[in-house]
Amino acid sequence: QSALTQPRSVSGSPGQSVRISCSGTSGDVGAYNFVSWYQQHPGKAPKLLIYDVSERPPGVPDRFSGSKSGNTASLTIYGLQAEDDADYYCCSYAGAYTVDIFGPGTKVTVL
Amino acid sequence: QVQLQESGPGLVKPSQTLSLTCSVSGGSISSGGYFWSWIRQPPGGGLEWIGYIYYTGRTYYNPSLKSRLIISVDTSNNQFFLKVNSVSAADTAVYYCVRVSNTHSGYDFWGQGTLVTVSS
Repeated sequence: QSALTQPRSVSGSPGQSVRISCSGTSGDVGAYNFVSWYQQHPGKAPKLLIYDVSERPPGVPDRFSGSKSGNTASLTIYGLQAEDDADYYCCSYAGAYTVDIFGPGTKVTVL
Repeated sequence: QVQLQESGPGLVKPSQTLSLTCSVSGGSISSGGYFWSWIRQPPGGGLEWIGYIYYTGRTYYNPSLKSRLIISVDTSNNQFFLKVNSVSAADTAVYYCVRVSNTHSGYDFWGQGTLVTVSS
């Protein structure tokens, strides 16, 4: 099964922007526009932030932005806020056999 | 608003079978348009996709777990189920039941999760 890679951690001060990368292959991220991103606070279930690479569900602030270039997807958080301190996971569809795979997660620390 | 709730034993002995139920409210499994999924997260670890089922009973499994998995559905009671056979300590995790659209557009509604510990 293929694996996605994410940085272990990123940090920024309030008001700054941070970008989290999600690197895959031509068989998952590069092949499909079915990349989603999730935010998880300690002890809570993950929350959908971005789907279909760059779409936001209702209620998700537009500070969260998704994009993709080749085999790498990215989540950018603009105007970092204290409540953005959390773990972030990417997920990509990888075809009918492997189906969905998650990245290992990135810890975002708001300094 | 769709709600999902996991239930089942919190402790399972090694080599036995882990069995969980997900009860869905606020929406009908049989209305179509969604896969009903299981995702797990070991303590301190990341998310792992286990598999999902459509209301017709069609299943999709993680290849690395497929030989030990059964996911089933009971549309009359709006529930779906997970069974994992021959468990070991590596199966200790928080198990989430989750809805995802059949166009793969994100896992949008999650249960609160239930911790299952495999230990003698």
